[in-house]
Amino acid sequence: EAQVTQNPRYLITVTGKKLTVTCSQNMNHEYMSWYRQDPGLGLRQIYYSMNVEVTDKGDVPEGYKVSRKEKRNFPLILESPSPNQTSLYFCASTRTGDTYGYTFGSGTRLTVV
Amino acid sequence: RKEVEQDPGPFNVPEGATVAFNCTYSNSASQSFFWYRQDCRKEPKLLMSVYSSGNEDGRFTAQLNRASQYISLLIRDSKLSDSATYLCVVNIGGYQKVTFGTGTKLQVIP
Repeated sequence: EAQVTQNPRYLITVTGKKLTVTCSQNMNHEYMSWYRQDPGLGLRQIYYSMNVEVTDKGDVPEGYKVSRKEKRNFPLILESPSPNQTSLYFCASTRTGDTYGYTFGSGTRLTVV
Repeated sequence: RKEVEQDPGPFNVPEGATVAFNCTYSNSASQSFFWYRQDCRKEPKLLMSVYSSGNEDGRFTAQLNRASQYISLLIRDSKLSDSATYLCVVNIGGYQKVTFGTGTKLQVIP
């Protein structure tokens, strides 16, 4: 089954404790992206990647890191999480080309206390 | 002005009604357009792409008006299962710069 897999689904952590949210896709998509979704603000792009070893900042990259060492994986790293990073996170992928929509992962609900 | 704007709703409509949502975008260079559906606390799912000539998929019709810079979604014969938030998505292409609207909430009432 074609899918984007995110882990974990739920995570509660403390301020300053490094964490990684994993994202993997099995569709051989070149393009992957991370979003956060907050009430009233919609989905905002954190980072995106056009292909292996090619990443770029989205609209809200502060406090986040990403890497793209393999085509299928695009982990999101929070080196020192803070409470304002409490949010619902989505990973998404698509083939490059303008007419294809995204496939989203099921989301990671992160709470930083 | 926001890059992509939607009326947040909620739109409360009876079963069987026809309902339409609009979404305006500010960047005239925008190249591709989509409607997504998002159920509460779940991932957005692609509903349909929006083509210049307009397109239809069953009870759903999407239109693009480049001159006025908006896209629309029409849902005919609303079902209870159509209750969700509908997200407008605009891509200016090239570097895959994709912007999501904040969504329009639809509640279909028995």
